[in-house]
Amino acid sequence: KAGVTQTPRYLIKTRGQQVTLSCSPISGHRSVSWYQQTPGQGLQFLFEYFSETQRNKGNFPGRFSGRQFSNSRSEMNVSTLELGDSALYLCASSTTSGRTGETQYFGPGTRLLVL
Amino acid sequence: AQSVAQPEDQVNVAEGNPLTVKCTYSVSGNPYLFWYVQYPNRGLQFLLKYITGDNLVKGSYGFEAEFNKSQTSFHLKKPSALVSDSALYFCAVTPRGGFKTIFGAGTRLFVKA
Repeated sequence: KAGVTQTPRYLIKTRGQQVTLSCSPISGHRSVSWYQQTPGQGLQFLFEYFSETQRNKGNFPGRFSGRQFSNSRSEMNVSTLELGDSALYLCASSTTSGRTGETQYFGPGTRLLVL
Repeated sequence: AQSVAQPEDQVNVAEGNPLTVKCTYSVSGNPYLFWYVQYPNRGLQFLLKYITGDNLVKGSYGFEAEFNKSQTSFHLKKPSALVSDSALYFCAVTPRGGFKTIFGAGTRLFVKA
């Protein structure tokens, strides 16, 4: 089975721009979660989608949004980029919504640099 | 507030020696507990998890973890460290009935040959 894939792997943007990141989960997985990883804050939960519905959201401003499609692929969008948005964005998929202790499988991440 | 603590930023151990990476949590109920490893420029890889049952959980690459309910700890262990074990290790906790997984800050393991 193919693992979780994320595109693009690297991205450079300037302040004020917006960006869209994509995540394709493992086949058969219906839950997709997004995390932001920075040296200072570690891994921070952004949001989780299950069957095209956002089930939970972390403490991030409204500039961060996401969606999930019927094939479980997910996109994350960040509008009006700020320097502090520079980070590794990780996507993780699991078979269910996470409540039953299912393991999350992570993609390689998209490294975003905001100049 | 719910939290996960990894008290050591870095753990240094000689190859062949046993290693322990510590994790304690403050989450109500009986959460699910996980360990992940991250190599440079890679995503997180699942090592092991505790759902219920035996307090000693065995995982990938010879790692195991010991769950201690009274101390709310879930320490990662390996009897004999390898240089290739050098990486960043994350403890994670998911409350039962909850959706959000809480990660510790990570512990960098350095195994010296």
